[in-house]
Amino acid sequence: QSALTQPPSASGSPGQSVTISCTGTSSDVGGYDFVSWYQQYPGKAPKLMISEVNNRPSGVPDRFSGSKSGNTASLTVSGLQAEDEADYYCSSYAGNNNYVFGTGTKVTVL
Amino acid sequence: QVQLVESGGGVVQPGGSLRLSCAASGFTFSRHAMYWVRQAPGKGLEWLAVISSDGRQKYYADSVKGRFTVSRDNSKNTLYLQMNSLRPEDTAVSFCAREGRRGSFDSWGQGTLVIVSS
Repeated sequence: QSALTQPPSASGSPGQSVTISCTGTSSDVGGYDFVSWYQQYPGKAPKLMISEVNNRPSGVPDRFSGSKSGNTASLTVSGLQAEDEADYYCSSYAGNNNYVFGTGTKVTVL
Repeated sequence: QVQLVESGGGVVQPGGSLRLSCAASGFTFSRHAMYWVRQAPGKGLEWLAVISSDGRQKYYADSVKGRFTVSRDNSKNTLYLQMNSLRPEDTAVSFCAREGRRGSFDSWGQGTLVIVSS
């Protein structure tokens, strides 16, 4: 199972929006609405930000939103804040009780 | 609150074994599937294994199938990962995670570092 493809980096100024893509195949992202997004600070555990494409867990700011079109999912962070600077990973159910993560995107707040 | 605490990591020679543990608290452990995920130094996340809430169903990534075994003891609220035939490329921080909404991992431990080196 190959990792989902994410851009290595993304950036934006405070208050701006940044969108991260996550590209897979019809066997994972395109085949199921079980795409999740995680935020990870250096040396820390990942934190769930979005589940099932666009579901935001309790406590996650509504600045974070998810979407999907075909084999590509996206995470948008609106109103960028300094604390949003982190690594972001997507993941998807890939069938047959397998799961796959994305390659990760480092978000920089300029 | 949900708490997951991994232990058991360390330095092991190639071909060796380690058993990781993940102690769970703050939720009804026996109602949730559980996962192991790892992260090599400076690299991305890699899903390793999942075990059903009752422990009967277990599934593995191809990279560890036949070498790693996931298990759980619901009476002790503890998840395990037996790692055999370890290779240098298994060097990573291993996290345990709780199943959230379908396909998601909604709570994570802090991770335990496994170093495979001679």
